Amino acid sequence: KAGVTQTPRYLIKTRGQQVTLSCSPISGHRSVSWYQQTPGQGLQFLFEYFSETQRNKGNFPGRFSGRQFSNSRSEMNVSTLELGDSALYLCASSSGTLGNEQYFGPGTRLTVT
Amino acid sequence: AQSVTQLGSHVSVSEGALVLLRCNYSSSVPPYLFWYVQYPNQGLQLLLKYTSAATLVKGINDFEAEFKKSETSFHLTKPSAHMSDAAEYFCAVSLGSNYQLIWGAGTKLIIKP
Repeated sequence: KAGVTQTPRYLIKTRGQQVTLSCSPISGHRSVSWYQQTPGQGLQFLFEYFSETQRNKGNFPGRFSGRQFSNSRSEMNVSTLELGDSALYLCASSSGTLGNEQYFGPGTRLTVT
Repeated sequence: AQSVTQLGSHVSVSEGALVLLRCNYSSSVPPYLFWYVQYPNQGLQLLLKYTSAATLVKGINDFEAEFKKSETSFHLTKPSAHMSDAAEYFCAVSLGSNYQLIWGAGTKLIIKP
C-alpha cells in the first residue's frame, strides 16, 4: 500500500499571502488529521476530517482551514500568512475508528518571509 | 482534562546502554497508547501500540513498552542503544470517544559513541 503523501514538500511564501497544502491518505483511510510542528511549540493539532466532515478542531485561529474530498484527500489552507506560521505541517491518516493508529506523511516545510 | 507527560525533553545514553523514555498519562478510562519516532526532516513513524491485549508491547527495532495501569505509565525501553536510534520520540494517548490523539511534548534521544 502506498503511504501518505503530501505536496508540496517545501514552500516559501511572503507575509500576507495564502497557501494551500495537500494530503493524500492511505487507500481506504477515511480520517485525515493535520498538525503543525515547530521547535518552540512541538506538535500542535490543527484539525481532523472524517468522511468529509470536520470531526475535531484544535486551538488555531480561523486563518487555518481545511477540507476533505469524497476520495478522502484533504487540503489545508492558511490565509494572511504570518512569520509565526513557518513550520513543518504534517498530515496523518487513519481508519478513523477508536484506537486506530495514525500514519504520517513526510510533511510540508513552510517558510514565511 | 486528559494529558500526556514525557519526562525529559532530552535524554542522553551511551551506545550499547539501556534506553528508557518515560511517558505518563492522565485518564479515568482505559486508554489506547502509542509511541512514535521522528527522524530529522521526516514525518512520524509508529513504533508500537497498546490496545489492552497485553501489558508488554513489542515494537520495531527492538523497542518495547510496558503499560502499568497503577502508575498510569507507558515507558519505552530498548536493551541496547544504537547510533541510529538518535531521533525524537513521542508518546500519544487516545481517550474517550472523540478519536483525537493527545500528544506528549517529545523526547530527543541522543546517543553518545
